[in-house]
Amino acid sequence: GQQVMQIPQYQHVQEGEDFTTYCNSSTTLSNIQWYKQRPGGHPVFLIQLVKSGEVKKQKRLTFQFGEAKKNSSLHITATQTTDVGTYFCAGRGSGTYKYIFGTGTRLKVLA
Amino acid sequence: EADIYQTPRYLVIGTGKKITLECSQTMGHDKMYWYQQDPGMELHLIHYSYGVNSTEKGDLSSESTVSRIRTEHFPLTLESARPSHTSQYLCASSEYTRSRGRNEQFFGPGTRLTVL
Repeated sequence: GQQVMQIPQYQHVQEGEDFTTYCNSSTTLSNIQWYKQRPGGHPVFLIQLVKSGEVKKQKRLTFQFGEAKKNSSLHITATQTTDVGTYFCAGRGSGTYKYIFGTGTRLKVLA
Repeated sequence: EADIYQTPRYLVIGTGKKITLECSQTMGHDKMYWYQQDPGMELHLIHYSYGVNSTEKGDLSSESTVSRIRTEHFPLTLESARPSHTSQYLCASSEYTRSRGRNEQFFGPGTRLTVL
């Protein structure tokens, strides 16, 4: 079945440093979503990417969808303590409405 | 913004008991999902529904069952709880919106279940 892996599993950065998490699917995706989950909270939607090679920006966050629609990345520029949490990608295959969540990357930002 | 509710928020129960976790949403979303998540770990899809009277099993095998008799309500039932069922259960709903061009999932606050 479809599998979605993320690397790294954990990342500790100094405040102000950049951060990137990578998401890889075993199958081609129809689209991919990114979510952020704060400690003790529930996942909150960040963005959805649909087109091959698509790049979207939200302030300090940059999201990319690979040309083959099997991988994606999230890059945060100049991290802040408010960026702390676990970032999940979630991929949807063709012909289904279900999303398979990635393994997540837990980000800690040291002030 | 979708409103999605889960009850109870916390449940501690003995082995063998039957339990039902409630999930309700007020936005009329057609799709609803149940995920199981252990602390600090990934979300595993255990059930989903495309609409009333439509339910499917997810990728993680689960002994739970679900029903979707009304659009807004998607309860999950465990007939006989076991310690291996201890986890957090997250409910979500979504609907494709043409204006936004996306079908984001809105999550409830979760039910943290402990089976002794």
